[in-house]
Amino acid sequence: NAGVTQTPKFQVLKTGQSMTLQCAQDMNHEYMSWYRQDPGMGLRLIHYSVGAGITDQGEVPNGYNVSRSTTEDFPLRLLSAAPSQTSVYFCASSTYPFPGTGGNEQYFGPGTRLTVT
Amino acid sequence: AQSVTQLGSHVSVSEGALVLLRCNYSSSVPPYLFWYVQYPNQGLQLLLKYTSAATLVKGINGFEAEFKKSETSFHLTKPSAHMSDAAEYFCAVSEVLGAQKLVFGQGTRLTINP
Repeated sequence: NAGVTQTPKFQVLKTGQSMTLQCAQDMNHEYMSWYRQDPGMGLRLIHYSVGAGITDQGEVPNGYNVSRSTTEDFPLRLLSAAPSQTSVYFCASSTYPFPGTGGNEQYFGPGTRLTVT
Repeated sequence: AQSVTQLGSHVSVSEGALVLLRCNYSSSVPPYLFWYVQYPNQGLQLLLKYTSAATLVKGINGFEAEFKKSETSFHLTKPSAHMSDAAEYFCAVSEVLGAQKLVFGQGTRLTINP
């Protein structure tokens, strides 16, 4: 199993450009999520999905779009990049969070380091 | 809303010394609690988790953590530090009911001195 894969590893964008960060998992996990990591702030949840066709917002969703057309893939779209979106982005997946089972381990990808100039 | 506070953004210990990384949470009900480790330029890896079973939880690489409801704490310890423990450590909390959205602390960078 490759686990959770993310592409690209590094990306530099100019303000106003758009791009898609790719995330894929081969563990047949229903739950997938995107976090951004900024120094001194830990990781913050951007968007998450509990299955194909179902997505919801996390703590910091503004400026980002997601969709989930398959179980395996969960791309994150930046429609118009801003310097405030300079960050390291992590995708994670886990088994379905049935009520009372919220302690499922989340598996993280290696991250995408994005710089917006 | 849930929140997590990690006391100390940087902790430095000598090789062989006790490691203690502090985590306090704020939640209306006892949540699920996690410790994740991040090695340089890598993603996060689960060290251990508390999900309302035993209050003393043992994880990988000799780490353990104790859930103390009265203190709303979940501190991470290791009796004897090894050079390979140098990394950033994150405490996180998630709800018992509903989707398992993780709320992370700000992280503690652990340095091991030879």
